[in-house]
Amino acid sequence: GAGVSQTPSNKVTEKGKYVELRCDPISGHTALYWYRQSLGQGPEFLIYFQGTGAADDSGLPNDRFFAVRPEGSVSTLKIQRTERGDSAVYLCASSLTGGTGNTGELFFGEGSRLTVL
Amino acid sequence: DQQVKQNSPSLSVQEGRISILNCDYTNSMFDYFLWYKKYPAEGPTFLISISSIKDKNEDGRFTVFLNKSAKHLSLHIVPSQPGDSAVYFCAASFQGAQKLVFGQGTRLTINP
Repeated sequence: GAGVSQTPSNKVTEKGKYVELRCDPISGHTALYWYRQSLGQGPEFLIYFQGTGAADDSGLPNDRFFAVRPEGSVSTLKIQRTERGDSAVYLCASSLTGGTGNTGELFFGEGSRLTVL
Repeated sequence: DQQVKQNSPSLSVQEGRISILNCDYTNSMFDYFLWYKKYPAEGPTFLISISSIKDKNEDGRFTVFLNKSAKHLSLHIVPSQPGDSAVYFCAASFQGAQKLVFGQGTRLTINP
């Protein structure tokens, strides 16, 4: 597709379960980002990939959160032992290059809404 | 700590009038600022940006003003249209850092 695609659009799970959220960036975009948006807040940075490597994972809240991008395209955000506080919309974004010349113009997907009961 | 703040959660403006959305920041290292617009059930979309070497950037009905001494920026929309009704996020970044820091958002409602 033309834009950033995220699946699932909605995920309801029980506390303690494992969850995977998938992001398919715009074709050719080397930079990929995960953000989390809680109710009434702006998006909060989680992790940034340049190609296959995580260039900045300083926003991951704890070691229950992990993300991969093995082939430099699709990325998966993995959350272990989910907690009610993990409930949020998880946004993926991509940009053409990233790097120091990045203008910050990110292209966002529609997000995956995670609800932990 | 909230490095980027949008202190007005909501704003209501009459169609045809000017909408002014405000944003304050605390980190003096920020050198690039952006506004994103978000409709319900959609991801944020880029609207307009400004580098810290400028104090104004204009794109059609949208103008962003930057006051570095006050660490304040604003987005002006004129004339406001019903399709402008959305949540607007201010965001900031600095050279070498790839993450955007977002404000909490302001919900703009344009009344016919």
